[in-house]
Amino acid sequence: DVKVTQSSRYLVKRTGEKVFLECVQDMDHENMFWYRQDPGLGLRLIYFSYDVKMKEKGDIPEGYSVSREKKERFSLILESASTNQTSMYLCASSFDSSWEGYTFGSGTRLTVV
Amino acid sequence: GQNIDQPTEMTATEGAIVQINCTYQTSGFNGLFWYQQHAGEAPTFLSYNVLDGLEEKGRFSSFLSRSKGYSYLLLKELQMKDSASYLCAVRDSNYQLIWGAGTKLIIKP
Repeated sequence: DVKVTQSSRYLVKRTGEKVFLECVQDMDHENMFWYRQDPGLGLRLIYFSYDVKMKEKGDIPEGYSVSREKKERFSLILESASTNQTSMYLCASSFDSSWEGYTFGSGTRLTVV
Repeated sequence: GQNIDQPTEMTATEGAIVQINCTYQTSGFNGLFWYQQHAGEAPTFLSYNVLDGLEEKGRFSSFLSRSKGYSYLLLKELQMKDSASYLCAVRDSNYQLIWGAGTKLIIKP
């Protein structure tokens, strides 16, 4: 079974803190993604990566950065957390052109106070 | 722009059948996915359609009409555990997944 593991299920951070969300997948997928999910808005793509050290902006990259130093690990960084970044963050991975689409991690619910 | 529409919420009775519709307008088409997401959990893969027609998988079936930009997910013999959100997603010409906002399905006894 493909597994995508996110380091924390729940996080509470203060405004202005630097926040790291970690994601690790164990099936050698080329592609990795970070989404945020808010009620009524669905999944919105923050950043994605097709290869090691490669990153592409998604629909809402402002206030975020990412790092992919190893194929299995994709990190999302909130440089200076703000209250409007309170959300559910989902990491996903996939092979190219896979009929299975994406496999998701269990999510990190981040609250910024 | 790219757009995926699905109803916000639906209610059905245990043991019945429900159809969740999804219409899409995207730049290119490379497959349509349905995912199930229970509250507080990650989405899980249900089905994939790339050709027109019906794909059946147990109690769940998914239909696609590419000419109409339309799909539906059919759930039969509903069980209480089917209470969840159902997400429709289309893979566009850049092989990106475009997501609908999801349909919350409430099952009543």
